[in-house]
Amino acid sequence: QKEVEQDPGPLSVPEGAIVSLNCTYSNSAFQYFMWYRQYSRKGPELLMYTYSSGNKEDGRFTAQVDKSSKYISLFIRDSQPSDSATYLCAMRSNDYKLSFGAGTTVTVRA
Amino acid sequence: NAGVTQTPKFRVLKTGQSMTLLCAQDMNHEYMYWYRQDPGMGLRLIHYSVGEGTTAKGEVPDGYNVSRLKKQNFLLGLESAAPSQTSVYFCASSYSMVQPSYNEQFFGPGTRLTVL
Repeated sequence: QKEVEQDPGPLSVPEGAIVSLNCTYSNSAFQYFMWYRQYSRKGPELLMYTYSSGNKEDGRFTAQVDKSSKYISLFIRDSQPSDSATYLCAMRSNDYKLSFGAGTTVTVRA
Repeated sequence: NAGVTQTPKFRVLKTGQSMTLLCAQDMNHEYMYWYRQDPGMGLRLIHYSVGEGTTAKGEVPDGYNVSRLKKQNFLLGLESAAPSQTSVYFCASSYSMVQPSYNEQFFGPGTRLTVL
């Protein structure tokens, strides 16, 4: 069983819709949770990170962490065609090694 | 700043051939990483380095070797390439593990490797 599970999609939504992405994990030592965005044929770039449980908002993006359920989510409001990308969840404990989900490919249709 | 750069961008090898992938960063980061990305598997850590002259194995190290002779460079070697090593390889670097905000990993653009 993988340490981090993420539905690979693909997910296709109309422009303006809310995109909901999620990951589950099994390692209770994970404390830092991140979402990376990867455009086609590019390297991943950090979108958001959170520490421990709770919500964090940044513009149209909201990250949620529920450590009791070992579940994290990313919501994209008012989605735009420029949001079309693969979104990877990542998490780590107190060391510097990240465990990644498989990534969810999102297409926002104009 | 160029950030993290990787050479080459593409490469096709025959089974048994060897090659070296070069990663360079200009952010004075201590930590550097090599990942491979395969469909449905996400990013998997091959090897990493916590400083000049140090290397360590990650999740999938077999068939690869690395060297970190200079702080800004991290080399990934394939001594005898196999078709199972067909993948996209990403290098990343980060400043520190002490604070989470400083542990952001910055990724290069990737190298697409095909082994026939």
